[in-house]
Amino acid sequence: DIVLTQSPGTLSLSPGERVTLSCGASQSVSSSYLAWYQQKPGQAPRLLIFGASNRATGVPDRFSGSESGTDFTLTISRLEPEDFAVYYCQQYGSSPVTFGQGTKLEIK
Amino acid sequence: QVQLQESGPGLVKPSQTLSLTCTVSSGSISSGGYFWHWIRQHPGKGLEWIGYIYYSGSTYYNPSLKSRVTMSVEKSENHFSLKLTSVTAADTAVYYCARATTATRAFHIWGQGTMVTVSS
Repeated sequence: DIVLTQSPGTLSLSPGERVTLSCGASQSVSSSYLAWYQQKPGQAPRLLIFGASNRATGVPDRFSGSESGTDFTLTISRLEPEDFAVYYCQQYGSSPVTFGQGTKLEIK
Repeated sequence: QVQLQESGPGLVKPSQTLSLTCTVSSGSISSGGYFWHWIRQHPGKGLEWIGYIYYSGSTYYNPSLKSRVTMSVEKSENHFSLKLTSVTAADTAVYYCARATTATRAFHIWGQGTMVTVSS
């Protein structure tokens, strides 16, 4: 199984700040099949980024994704109050599909 | 806009079978081009992929659950289903269904989730 390791576990930031979330894969992710999801309490995850760097429909352009080998990053250029949530990375190029353990963004 | 809605018992006894349905609205499950997934989330924990089914009925399950999982699709009802046998307290979770396109394979659309508790 491909293990995805997200760091850090929790980030305390203020609105307006820039943040970069990391996701490291234990092996190569096939065809850049790496996605990022946002989950708020009591809600289902919401797709933000697919194919490592493609924004899903309706996702603001302050969200961006990139990859470098087996390391993937999600950047939020300027935090809005609604961005404070848990973020998961996911690989879906190899079976089984796996998720990272999540990074929680909390308001400082 | 396609919507997914999970339904099923919120309480299941240990050793019994958990049965859930995901109903697809504003879209046809028979149209092809999509994988229909089940994912679960243990309370306060991360996400675990259970498996997927294609409209043709072909399936792929997480090896960690494969021996206990069966998925099926009911085209006439426009829904797909999950059965998980021999449940224990470790199967207590929120269960989500989701749709992925065969093109991008990412999980673009999710149901709201349904909480299932395994307890006597």
